[in-house]
Amino acid sequence: EVQLVESGGGLVQPGRSLKLSCAASGFTFSNYYMAWVRQAPKKGLEWVATISTSGSRTYYPDSVKGRFTISRDNAKSSLYLQMNSLKSEDTATYYCATPFAYWGQGTLVTVSS
Amino acid sequence: ETTVTQSPASLSMAVGEKVSISCKTSTDIDDDMNWYQQKSGEAPKLLISEGNTLRPGVPSRFSSSGYGTDFVFTINNVLLGDEGIYYCQQSDNVPYTFGAGTKLELK
Repeated sequence: EVQLVESGGGLVQPGRSLKLSCAASGFTFSNYYMAWVRQAPKKGLEWVATISTSGSRTYYPDSVKGRFTISRDNAKSSLYLQMNSLKSEDTATYYCATPFAYWGQGTLVTVSS
Repeated sequence: ETTVTQSPASLSMAVGEKVSISCKTSTDIDDDMNWYQQKSGEAPKLLISEGNTLRPGVPSRFSSSGYGTDFVFTINNVLLGDEGIYYCQQSDNVPYTFGAGTKLELK
């Protein structure tokens, strides 16, 4: 059974950094592109980042480009999202996903002073 | 960037009725459209993937059609358990963009 478990969310002040993790199991992690998708409270879905199987290629929307970095450790079956220079509009539940068949349950990030 | 315009924003249906949701894209995306169901407090669930392909385990009451820029998602014989928000998403080009969602309520 595919499982994706996110962690690392919490309350953070504007301008600070936070790193999310996603532990994957139940499939051959290194064979799959991976992605992060977020959902602001009571709002719709927004794709945040995608990474290739080896990690050599990454993709971001303009809203996070230059501030967020997606990475992976295939040996640990883990996906990461380093978020820098956080803004209040980054407040959301962040989902880890195999684009886009399987999703984790999400981790909430709140950016507030 | 491909814009995805989803309509309607909400629907109120009776059990057994047919539901239709439209998504229109600003660029030609072939058939690279995905459809999701999100129930309250849960992660989105992929129902239909690119090529109008029903995901394993998803009832055949759910279907989709479309190619290019116009897409339709259909639920035949809607049930109480189908309540939730439905999203379309194009996966043809980066940035992958979602429709704004359609909230389905059952009377």
